[in-house]
Amino acid sequence: RKEVEQDPGPFNVPEGATVAFNCTYSNSASQSFFWYRQDCRKEPKLLMSVYSSGNEDGRFTAQLNRASQYISLLIRDSKLSDSATYLCVVIRTGKLIFGQGTTLQVKP
Amino acid sequence: ETGVTQTPRHLVMGMTNKKSLKCEQHLGHNAMYWYKQSAKKPLELMFVYNFKEQTENNSVPSRFSPECPNSSHLFLHLHTLQPEDSALYLCASSQDAGDSNQPQHFGDGTRLSIL
Repeated sequence: RKEVEQDPGPFNVPEGATVAFNCTYSNSASQSFFWYRQDCRKEPKLLMSVYSSGNEDGRFTAQLNRASQYISLLIRDSKLSDSATYLCVVIRTGKLIFGQGTTLQVKP
Repeated sequence: ETGVTQTPRHLVMGMTNKKSLKCEQHLGHNAMYWYKQSAKKPLELMFVYNFKEQTENNSVPSRFSPECPNSSHLFLHLHTLQPEDSALYLCASSQDAGDSNQPQHFGDGTRLSIL
């Protein structure tokens, strides 16, 4: 079983839709959590940090549930430019552990 | 401008060649990392340097040899690679590898193809 698991998708949604991704992690010693975005054949870029209290940045909301060991990312009012792969990342003992990524395709 | 610069962007080499990948960060960070990203697989951590000291070698074959002359520069020396080594190699940096609250910032990557 992978330490960080994501549904690879793809999620195909129309513009303006709300879409949610979940990610689960297996090691309770995980310390910090992030969502990264990776465009095709490009490097990962930090999208946002994830906290138990929730974190909102414009149309993006991230949430951490430590008890259930899952992390979520909600995207409201999807844009075509949101099409990318979203990587769930967990830091444990200083190491970044990446999920496989969830691919989002926003259609006109 | 990502703050982390990798060269070359693309590299094609034969299995008997020797080449090096270079990474430079302009963020004042103290930790640098090499990752490998193969098609349809999660990023795999290869090496970690913190304050110029190697702190992690994630069971990487010896045909990959890292070098960190200072906190701003990181190299990955390649020799006698195999076709399965073809991948995107990403460099990243962070303030301190021991600080779990710090995210990492990635370079554009070097896309490596082994003939």
